[in-house]
Amino acid sequence: GESVGLHLPTLSVQEGDNSIINCAYSNSASDYFIWYKQESGKGPQFIIDIRSNMDKRQGQRVTVLLNKTVKHLSLQIAATQPGDSAVYFCAERWSGANSKLTFGKGITLSVRP
Amino acid sequence: NAGVMQNPRHLVRRRGQEARLRCSPMKGHSHVYWYRQLPEEGLKFMVYLQKENIIDESGMPKERFSAEFPKEGPSILRIQQVVRGDSAAYFCASSPPLYTGELFFGEGSRLTVL
Repeated sequence: GESVGLHLPTLSVQEGDNSIINCAYSNSASDYFIWYKQESGKGPQFIIDIRSNMDKRQGQRVTVLLNKTVKHLSLQIAATQPGDSAVYFCAERWSGANSKLTFGKGITLSVRP
Repeated sequence: NAGVMQNPRHLVRRRGQEARLRCSPMKGHSHVYWYRQLPEEGLKFMVYLQKENIIDESGMPKERFSAEFPKEGPSILRIQQVVRGDSAAYFCASSPPLYTGELFFGEGSRLTVL
């Protein structure tokens, strides 16, 4: 069946360093992938997404990499800041328009000052 | 531009009572999704609705849970005869028609069952 999982439950980084959060997915039919950030007591916020016809996409300080060969997704955050401390979720969609997203368990990013 | 609005933000119920959670999607969005999040866990899909229609309820428990999205008014997630295991954050998300991008989430409703 479909599943989305994250390799590590927590990640602690020094302020100013780069962060890399990894995610594995198992459904080769997935064609859309997305990263959300969730701060304590709040709803998930969109960070960046990527479609299966791409292998890299960049935003402001964030980059998402997609490796379809090994079904791996990663989120890179440059110059990590205290405001980046949150739980990060990857999610996938495999059924086209307006279908549900399937989420992984989440990883906590803690930024040390 | 108001985002996805959920209410109540916090709800306390005793075992056996009913909980009703409401979700108003973003303007122009006709698709609503409900997710449940247990403490220290990810978001689990529950149900996907369009106006007056349930599209996918594969994540809904078979008993006590129901959802609707009427022609007028918010979407409602209803939990009857709540038990302690229903304590969780319930998130609603919305999207416009024929959309293949992200889901837009509300701030969630946190249900505590005593």
